[in-house]
This record gives sequence, C-alpha cells and structure tokens, in this order.
Amino acid sequence: GENVEQHPSTLSVQEGDSAVIKCTYSDSASNYFPWYKQELGKGPQLIIDIRSNVGEKKDQRIAVTLNKTAKHFSLHITETQPEDSAVYFCAAFSGSARQLTFGSGTQLTVLP
Amino acid sequence: EAQVTQNPRYLITVTGKKLTVTCSQNMNHEYMSWYRQDPGLGLRQIYYSMNVEVTDKGDVPEGYKVSRKEKRNFPLILESPSPNQTSLYFCASSSPGAPLGPLHFGNGTRLTVT
Repeated sequence: GENVEQHPSTLSVQEGDSAVIKCTYSDSASNYFPWYKQELGKGPQLIIDIRSNVGEKKDQRIAVTLNKTAKHFSLHITETQPEDSAVYFCAAFSGSARQLTFGSGTQLTVLP
Repeated sequence: EAQVTQNPRYLITVTGKKLTVTCSQNMNHEYMSWYRQDPGLGLRQIYYSMNVEVTDKGDVPEGYKVSRKEKRNFPLILESPSPNQTSLYFCASSSPGAPLGPLHFGNGTRLTVT
C-alpha cells in the first residue's frame, strides 16, 4: 500500500519567517495530496490540496508544490504568525487502493 | 452549523469492557471514516463507509467494529478493549467524490484502556 513519510517531526521558526514541511510518497498512482492543520484539542482541518495534474498551488500565505517524478510534495508557509502554530499532516490518495494515507505529522511552533 | 459530532470526548475504561464511540454528521455526507492518532504514527484509518450498509477495513481494523445503518451515524465499537487501543480517535465525513474532497473531522475522543 501507500507509504507517506513526513519531515521534520518538529519545526520552530521565528514569527515572520517561512516554514517548509516535506512529504514523500511511494505509490506512483497517487493523484491527490491534501494538507491538514490540527489545532490543540481539535480535529484536523483541510488547509490546501493539490492534484497530480498541477505542480503548484497558492492560497494567500500558504502554498503547496508537487514533484511527481520524485514523488514528493511540500507545504510552504510564508510570513508565519503565532496562530500558525499547530500540527500539520500531509496525505496522499492512492487511486489503486482508494485510500487516503496520512504522514506522521509536524508540530510547528512559531516563536514571537 | 455543519459539523461532525463525536461522543464522548474522554473515556476511561477497563480491559474487556465493551464500549461504543458515537459519530454523527449533519451534512448528508455519504463517506464516513474512523481514524486513530498515535504519537509519531499520524492518523491511521480503522474503518470507512462509502454509504449506508457499506463498510470496509482500513489499515488497522483489528479489535474494532463499525456499522452504518443510517447515513448520518457511524459508531465505532470496541467489543473487548485492550490497553493497546488507548489512543485519540477521530471520526470524519466527506461529500460525494470522497476521499478526493475535504474530510470534515470531529473533535476527537481520547480513550484510555487500563
């Protein structure tokens, strides 16, 4: 089945700096890659997603890039703010398995 | 308000005592799923349901049961809980086209089995 690896597991940045979280996947048939943000005491919430026919997608301060050849995708957060502090999960949907597989998560801390 | 509601939020039980965690969604979603979250392991799928009376195993189904008798409800049943089922559980739902659409998660149920 699909295997998604996510790095780093923890990330601390100064307010205003950029943060980058990287994920790799194993199933070349995967075609949908969402990112979820989980705030303390809450369930994950979708923040951005990208499909395999697109290389990059932006939404204000967040962007996701996808490299299908290398089978990796990344989340970029610019001008980080304290409210960006949360756990972030990447995921990959395998068309062959019809299943969404999550990475292990990244705890992002934005220091004031 | 569109939401996924899980109950209870916290549950402490003993080994072998059957329990049910309820999940209900008010968005008329066809797809529903259960995940467990453990440190360093991310979210792992337990069971999912594409529609009423249709359920399938996820990655870690052992020790769990589910049912989907109504569209809005998807309870998770632990017939004989064991300490290795101590975890944070999330229910999620999604609109048609799932799971290629956004998953809507509940706020979680923290289960401790002693």
